Amino acid sequence: DAGITQSPRYKITETGRQVTLMCHQTWSHSYMFWYRQDLGHGLRLIYYSAAADITDKGEVPDGYVVSRSKTENFPLTLESATRSQTSVYFCASLGLSNTGELFFGEGSRLTVL
Amino acid sequence: GQQVMQIPQYQHVQEGEDFTTYCNSSTTLSNIQWYKQRPGGHPVFLIQLVKSGEVKKQKRLTFQFGEAKKNSSLHITATQTTDVGTYFCAGYSGAGSYQLTFGKGTKLSVIP
Repeated sequence: DAGITQSPRYKITETGRQVTLMCHQTWSHSYMFWYRQDLGHGLRLIYYSAAADITDKGEVPDGYVVSRSKTENFPLTLESATRSQTSVYFCASLGLSNTGELFFGEGSRLTVL
Repeated sequence: GQQVMQIPQYQHVQEGEDFTTYCNSSTTLSNIQWYKQRPGGHPVFLIQLVKSGEVKKQKRLTFQFGEAKKNSSLHITATQTTDVGTYFCAGYSGAGSYQLTFGKGTKLSVIP
């Protein structure tokens, strides 16, 4: 089915390990985003990408790395996971209509022990 | 940086009662969006408001954008159990900006 998919949906890892969260969209949307959602903080932008090979920092980029070699994929890597990175991560893409609608993936729940 | 504040954080209502959540930005917004997130789900777009003073309705939901384009509200008339979830407002700070800043959301519980 077309849409935006994230994997894995659930991940448990240990402090210091590298973790990559995958995001794939089939709409050929130019803009893609990574948000993290924590209780009491709402949704905070980590990184975003305007197109392949173009990425930029959001509000909370420290400890994260992104890449965008292809339009449809936007992986998020935690190079050395910390407990404070325990969160639910949402990938989103920006629709082509003039509504400015963001389409979100189902989310990836990450627990860092 | 831009801040978007939303109140209340939580709201419990009896089914059939009305509900309102308010959103205020520290800066003028080019537009404002509203999203709904069901428990365990992901945010889903509801609407975008662009014009100063704009009012839009979707069935029992009424959305307003302030005259100064710094505040907005979502009002639900006669809540139903299907309205349960967290409602977020989000704004773009300026033309050409693609960084959408979200409020912390209002979690709505509806008591049957």
